[in-house]
Amino acid sequence: GDSVTQTEGPVTVSESESLIINCTYSATSIAYPNLFWYVRYPGEGLQLLLKVITAGQKGSSRGFEATYNKETTSFHLQKASVQESDSAVYYCALGAANTNKVVFGTGTRLQVLP
Amino acid sequence: NSKVIQTPRYLVKGQGQKAKMRCIPEKGHPVVFWYQQNKNNEFKFLINFQNQEVLQQIDMTEKRFSAECPSNSPCSLEIQSSEAGDSALYLCASSRQYNNQAPLFGEGTRLSVL
Repeated sequence: GDSVTQTEGPVTVSESESLIINCTYSATSIAYPNLFWYVRYPGEGLQLLLKVITAGQKGSSRGFEATYNKETTSFHLQKASVQESDSAVYYCALGAANTNKVVFGTGTRLQVLP
Repeated sequence: NSKVIQTPRYLVKGQGQKAKMRCIPEKGHPVVFWYQQNKNNEFKFLINFQNQEVLQQIDMTEKRFSAECPSNSPCSLEIQSSEAGDSALYLCASSRQYNNQAPLFGEGTRLSVL
């Protein structure tokens, strides 16, 4: 079936350090999956951070970037310099273009130290 | 600031009791999803609707859950006879009808079955 595997947390980094959270996917029933990163900040609901629907393209938001790599089936999340306010749980996900149904990874908790 | 409204935020039930939760999707979103997120952060797709019609549902949902999305009323998900294993965060999401949409999530209803 379709699945997403991401870095197991928690991940702890200091403010202004760089970050990478790995994500790989397997899309056996979806020919051209859409790829997403969602984020849940403390006390808030799940919200979309960025999405990419075309292989080879890069998405970016709030200083985060992720490139849809079809060859390596990866969609790693990167940020050059994290802030304390980035502390949250990050979820990599893939979606079916025709139904918008989403398959999630189990999340990576990020803690940014001041 | 989710625009998908879920109620109640917390729900406590005894085993065998009915548990009902509601969701008001974002205005203009005819597609509604329900997911269950367990204590291991794993997401399980339960059911989705387009307008009032069920598009897909898993076997568990078909047997023990009832769900509907009536016109001009909140969508609802009801567990007919709660089990301890149903304790989880239930997430409602909605999206536009068109392809390649990223569902918008509510903050969830956390169900505890004692």
